[in-house]
Amino acid sequence: ETGVTQSPTHLIKTRGQQVTLRCSSQSGHNTVSWYQQALGQGPQFIFQYYREEENGRGNFPPRFSGLQFPNYSSELNVNALELDDSALYLCASSLGPTEDQPQHFGDGTRLSIL
Amino acid sequence: GESVGLHLPTLSVQEGDNSIINCAYSNSASDYFIWYKQESGKGPQFIIDIRSNMDKRQGQRVTVLLNKTVKHLSLQIAATQPGDSAVYFCAENIRGSNYKLTFGKGTLLTVNP
Repeated sequence: ETGVTQSPTHLIKTRGQQVTLRCSSQSGHNTVSWYQQALGQGPQFIFQYYREEENGRGNFPPRFSGLQFPNYSSELNVNALELDDSALYLCASSLGPTEDQPQHFGDGTRLSIL
Repeated sequence: GESVGLHLPTLSVQEGDNSIINCAYSNSASDYFIWYKQESGKGPQFIIDIRSNMDKRQGQRVTVLLNKTVKHLSLQIAATQPGDSAVYFCAENIRGSNYKLTFGKGTLLTVNP
């Protein structure tokens, strides 16, 4: 069984740039959620995708957007990068968008904004 | 603010001892809880979950206890090993919150050989 994989593992950008992060869900999982984890903090929910549509969103501005593809993989796009966007971005997949399905995480993309 | 919190930010135990990591939550609509382990440079790893209609659930060397009366969750690790050293997070799902998980800040567990 293949787990959640994310790419790239590390990325350095400058303020104002745009970035795309990628995630392949665990085999058999059709739901993908994205989280932002600042240093020393717990992950913060950004949004969730199910059936190629956004299925819920946390307190993040519209410059954070996403996509889900027919094979359930997903992208996180961030426009107009700010210094505070520096964080570990985590993707998690689950069997379905129900409240009692455990989410399984990848190892994240470390994004640094200069 | 976050409804999920932890009593202790760090915990240091001797190898072979039992560890108990605590977590408090404040939202009575929380109905599903997960414990995750996060090692340095890695993503959170699922340990065990529990639904609000349960008080206790056991896994391999781990037990989660849920006390809904005082809104308290704990993770017990038996015979703690050096490989258990990591940050442990409890996460909750609040009914009607669009399936997002809300995480606490985490507890750093250090196991001394």
